[in-house]
Amino acid sequence: SQQGEEDPQALSIQEGENATMNCSYKTSINNLQWYRQNSGRGLVHLILIRSNEREKHSGRLRVTLDTSKKSSSLLITASRAADTASYFCATDARAGGTSYGKLTFGQGTILTVHP
Amino acid sequence: KAGVTQTPRYLIKTRGQQVTLSCSPISGHRSVSWYQQTPGQGLQFLFEYFSETQRNKGNFPGRFSGRQFSNSRSEMNVSTLELGDSALYLCASSLTPLAGYNEQFFGPGTRLTVL
Repeated sequence: SQQGEEDPQALSIQEGENATMNCSYKTSINNLQWYRQNSGRGLVHLILIRSNEREKHSGRLRVTLDTSKKSSSLLITASRAADTASYFCATDARAGGTSYGKLTFGQGTILTVHP
Repeated sequence: KAGVTQTPRYLIKTRGQQVTLSCSPISGHRSVSWYQQTPGQGLQFLFEYFSETQRNKGNFPGRFSGRQFSNSRSEMNVSTLELGDSALYLCASSLTPLAGYNEQFFGPGTRLTVL
């Protein structure tokens, strides 16, 4: 079963606009990661935020984490056509041995940025 | 540093056959995880290996197996292929072998088509 649920499922914007994607999860986590995937290719690691962090920045990316609401958001500022991709959140559960090497992914948000 | 590599990139097999996929992790990474990605089920965890030992396994039938070698390279095998095994198989490596602290970096994937 998928722990992370992204919202919206699809997002269509114009170049230069900001894109915000949300992720909710169910269990206690150690960290949450965001990935990008272009057209069924491999996942590109974007950013990791630890459970004791509330906000993190990387270039045009801003991630927030609210552990009390079990939710995270990814903001891409000044979007470009090259940002067109699927975006996934992945959680690393605080579950002892059963979490070895296991990330739980949401269904993803499909972002389309029109030139 | 070279990223995660996976071979082959594409495979076409027929039902009943078996297949072996290979993954070379980032140099120095000793934890390797495998995932299956399909349009219907999304990204699902198959198993994880560390120091040649399977430490965690997802909810997949015994037809899915894997192993890891002393140089941390990993292979996964699917026997008696079924149409539903058609998917993108992704391998990820992680530097930190601790449970719940998996910052994973993915390879480009192997696209398996079963006819």
